[in-house]
Amino acid sequence: DIVMTQSPDSLAVSLGGRATIHCKSNQSLLYSSNNKNFLAWYQQNPGQPPKLLIYWASTRESGVPDRFSGSGSGTDFSLTISSLQAEDVAVYYCQQYYSTPRSFGQGTKLEI
Amino acid sequence: EVQLVQSGGGSAKPGGSLRLSCAASGFTFNTAWMTWVRQAPGKGLEWVGRIKSKNDGGATHYAAPVRGRFTMSRDDSKNTVYLLMDSLRTEDTAVYYCAADGGYCTGSICYGGYFDYWGQGALVTVST
Repeated sequence: DIVMTQSPDSLAVSLGGRATIHCKSNQSLLYSSNNKNFLAWYQQNPGQPPKLLIYWASTRESGVPDRFSGSGSGTDFSLTISSLQAEDVAVYYCQQYYSTPRSFGQGTKLEI
Repeated sequence: EVQLVQSGGGSAKPGGSLRLSCAASGFTFNTAWMTWVRQAPGKGLEWVGRIKSKNDGGATHYAAPVRGRFTMSRDDSKNTVYLLMDSLRTEDTAVYYCAADGGYCTGSICYGGYFDYWGQGALVTVST
């Protein structure tokens, strides 16, 4: 099974500042046949379902502000929020969809 | 507009059963893989299982903690996916979410998908 590990567990960033969350998998998520990384990022606010932010490691979902960006390949990935807004306070999860069982990172709590 | 509307859930005693439903609209349900994810109180997201579209074989796959106790099924005529939970344990207490899974098969190769639409969640509480 693929294990996803996020760092840090929590992060405090000033308004307008830059936030970076890291995600590491214990095996490569890069599929050689299509050269895509099977890695997604989600944002979850309290009492709400998760919301898809990024898929294929770096493709922003429609409607997601461009201050959110994803990068990385293979086993190391990151989510960056370039200019933190108050509404970005949430818990963020990475998730692999390379193989079954699917797995999530443990989550990173982002605060102002 | 895509919607996933969940129903069911509630309380059960250990060893009991509950069934969750997830009714979909706004997309072609019969070609969609569907996934269940749960979240225990104050904890992170845990993948529960997935059912492929009938076109892709309709196979189910479950996470180890629920395998043999939980059963996913789908009724494409009702655009609904179900999660039947038997032999419930206290550790199954969680909010359960259904999600549309973008996985698909082409030829003999199947690719996993990200979860782009989610239901609102249903609380399942297992206690004495």
